[in-house]
Amino acid sequence: QVQLVESGGGVVQPGRSLRLSCAASGLTFSGNAMNWVRQAPGQGLEWVAVTSRDGRDKYYADSVKGRFTISRDNSRNALYLQMNSLRVEDTAIYYCARDSYSGPGMGYGMDVWGQGTTVTVSS
Amino acid sequence: EIVLTQSPDFQSVTPNEKVTITCRASQSIGSSLHWYQQKPNQSPKLLIKYISESFSGVPSRFSGSGSGTDFTLTINSLEGEDVATYYCQQTSSLPYTFGRGTKLEIK
Repeated sequence: QVQLVESGGGVVQPGRSLRLSCAASGLTFSGNAMNWVRQAPGQGLEWVAVTSRDGRDKYYADSVKGRFTISRDNSRNALYLQMNSLRVEDTAIYYCARDSYSGPGMGYGMDVWGQGTTVTVSS
Repeated sequence: EIVLTQSPDFQSVTPNEKVTITCRASQSIGSSLHWYQQKPNQSPKLLIKYISESFSGVPSRFSGSGSGTDFTLTINSLEGEDVATYYCQQTSSLPYTFGRGTKLEIK
């Protein structure tokens, strides 16, 4: 079935780095833009980043710009989020989510979500 | 950045009640407004995209409307399984943003 599975979360000290992965199955991964969305404990949803289906176009929330990098490997059906210079306020569940339209562009609403991976930034 | 203001933040509801959640954008966003449902300890799910297009499998009691800066999610005849937090999201301009959410609880 259609599935996104995130991994790579954990506990990390402020200033350190972490790389999240999202493995896709049961769908044509290369056909859609992909997003990362996060949710701090007890808080709402925050969009983090998006990449186009070919990986050439990437956009970020101001809160992570310059520290996080989104990338994808369509040959491996995988999405990544490289997180550097982590801060306590980056503590959250991180979800990968697929754009709902199979085609060029992005921002069509997110129709498939993973279960999330938890990142805790603490000294 | 476009700010989405949802109201109410919280609502206590009874089964079969009609529920209306509003989402107001700080500037016009055309039709790029989507609604999500998140049940406790679950991932969000897409309910409505582009103001009023129901996503596949979503019960017909959920509907969306609005234009420009003011949008509404309506749940006709609420069921117990609809207890959740509902979020609006705009993808009209980057960075994409979500509303703060509306939490529904059963009275």
